[in-house]
Amino acid sequence: EAQVTQNPRYLITVTGKKLTVTCSQNMNHEYMSWYRQDPGLGLRQIYYSMNVEVTDKGDVPEGYKVSRKEKRNFPLILESPSPNQTSLYFCASSPWGPGGEQFFGPGTRLTVL
Amino acid sequence: RKEVEQDPGPFNVPEGATVAFNCTYSNSASQSFFWYRQDCRKEPKLLMSVYSSGNEDGRFTAQLNRASQYISLLIRDSKLSDSATYLCVVRREDNDMRFGAGTRLTVKP
Repeated sequence: EAQVTQNPRYLITVTGKKLTVTCSQNMNHEYMSWYRQDPGLGLRQIYYSMNVEVTDKGDVPEGYKVSRKEKRNFPLILESPSPNQTSLYFCASSPWGPGGEQFFGPGTRLTVL
Repeated sequence: RKEVEQDPGPFNVPEGATVAFNCTYSNSASQSFFWYRQDCRKEPKLLMSVYSSGNEDGRFTAQLNRASQYISLLIRDSKLSDSATYLCVVRREDNDMRFGAGTRLTVKP
């Protein structure tokens, strides 16, 4: 089944404890992106990747890192999480770049205490 | 001011009603425009892309007015299953994506 998967789906952690949220797609898409969704603010883009080894900052990259070593994987890294990074995170991929339909993963709900 | 603005609603309409959502964007160099649908606690899914000439997909019609920097979505003959949050999405010229906060629709029997 063609899909975008994220792990973990739910995570509660403490301030400062490094964590990684994985994102994987099996559709051979070149474009991948990370978003966070907060009430009243909608989705905001964190980082995106047009292809392997190519990443760019989105609207709210501060406090996050990403890497794109393989086409299928695009992990989101929080080196030192803080409570203001408590949010719902979505990974997405697209075969046509940002100008086409994006396929979203199921989301990861992160709470930082 | 947010770069993409939507009326948050909620819109509560009876089945069979016609409902229209509006969206404005501030970056005149924006390149691509979309409407996504998001059900409660679920991931967004593409409803339709929005083209300059306007486009229709069944009961859904999308319009783009570049001069006014305005996008609209019209839903005719609303169904219960149309209840969701509708997200206006804009791709900037630098490939960054900008989402509106969403308009919530509830269709009632």
